[in-house]
Amino acid sequence: GEQVEQLPSILRVQEGSSASINCTYENSASNYFPWYKQEPGENPKLIIDIRSNMERKQTQGLIVLLDKKAKRFSLHITDTQPGDSAMYFCAASADTGNYKYVFGAGTRLKVIA
Amino acid sequence: EAAVTQSPRNKVAVTGGKVTLSCNQTNNHNNMYWYRQDTGHGLRLIHYSYGAGSTEKGDIPDGYKASRPSQENFSLILELATPSQTSVYFCASGDAWGSNQAPLFGEGTRLSVL
Repeated sequence: GEQVEQLPSILRVQEGSSASINCTYENSASNYFPWYKQEPGENPKLIIDIRSNMERKQTQGLIVLLDKKAKRFSLHITDTQPGDSAMYFCAASADTGNYKYVFGAGTRLKVIA
Repeated sequence: EAAVTQSPRNKVAVTGGKVTLSCNQTNNHNNMYWYRQDTGHGLRLIHYSYGAGSTEKGDIPDGYKASRPSQENFSLILELATPSQTSVYFCASGDAWGSNQAPLFGEGTRLSVL
């Protein structure tokens, strides 16, 4: 199977707190995991990614964790701001000759001021 | 600057009509993708391509055809459009590996089939 489950579907957090989004995947060959942010009416834009040779990656208030044993990866947004309000999508891909990207269903994040 | 350009941006079609959505990328990416986005379903893969002349079925290919006549262009064709194909369609391109691997998305095409 190649499904990616993403939870929660809706997330409301207070400004300044952290937000966490979790994804699980089925394909054990998956080795690349990008995260996208999508503003209303716009296209999804890459915000951070992680490869299977890493367990943690951090950039500009974003942290991605990868647990290959559990087939789980997560996005953590620290010190959330109203501008972080958007849809977030996780994705998984296996570059074993099949470069399909399977996306999660998305998380709508609302940061409350 | 890397870019993926879709046309048209908006389209209204009649049931049973033929619709062609076009996508152009100037990034020299090998891989190109067509996704549709519907509320509650995220992004679902319709067709994808590894390079000029290749097309592969994605997860929801029924009712759609694809064409990759060149490295730069990837079209999605609805031969007999149905109202269930009303959606937002995104084209994307990416390298097979490396720093440009993650799909880069176009601006999207909003299709309404009446």
